Amino acid sequence: DTGVSQDPRHKITKRGQNVTFRCDPISEHNRLYWYRQTLGQGPEFLTYFQNEAQLEKSRLLSDRFSAERPKGSFSTLEIQHTEQGDSAMYLCASSKDRAGVYNEQFFGPGTRLTVL
Amino acid sequence: GNSVTQMEGPVTLSEEAFLTINCTYTATGYPSLFWYVQYPGEGLQLLLKATKADDKGSNKGFEATYRKETTSFHLEKGSVQVSDSAVYFCALSDRFSGAGSYQLTFGKGTKLSVIP
Repeated sequence: DTGVSQDPRHKITKRGQNVTFRCDPISEHNRLYWYRQTLGQGPEFLTYFQNEAQLEKSRLLSDRFSAERPKGSFSTLEIQHTEQGDSAMYLCASSKDRAGVYNEQFFGPGTRLTVL
Repeated sequence: GNSVTQMEGPVTLSEEAFLTINCTYTATGYPSLFWYVQYPGEGLQLLLKATKADDKGSNKGFEATYRKETTSFHLEKGSVQVSDSAVYFCALSDRFSGAGSYQLTFGKGTKLSVIP
């Protein structure tokens, strides 16, 4: 079963450092989403790709955050100059596009970031 | 904007008890509604969905009916088991609110613990 995978599962870093997370979606899925989940809250949308194009970004995605999806396959989420408020679980999800139809988003296990 | 409000937890029930987790929503368009479940140590999984008014989503003994008049999507199960212990998230997707991205807006989650 090749579901959505994320790497690393856990990351501890010091304030001010840069971190990068990777997401590998299900192979035939062309849509990829990033969400952030803090303790006691539901996931919050960060950004979305359709193939390699980043089509939407939340206001939560400050200038320190950047996401890419080269060649429409895996995606990376980079956080520069991390702050303690960035500590959260970062979730990746993917889905298959069918115009006008919602398709189930499959979630990965998440990357838990702790900024000291 | 879109929002989801679900009952706060934690909820503790004895095995075979009846479960209701309330969920209400606010949406600018005509959303699709979902319940996701997160078992301990695992990623989010779609439990059930409904895409139009009066639709009933069902899976694994859980049910929820899309009530447009009350903007609600309450989750119910007639007889819970210990294995149902998890965090449950109500969510909506309104493809007209964000360039057709189908991003999900989640509630804060309700933790359910079922004791033998």
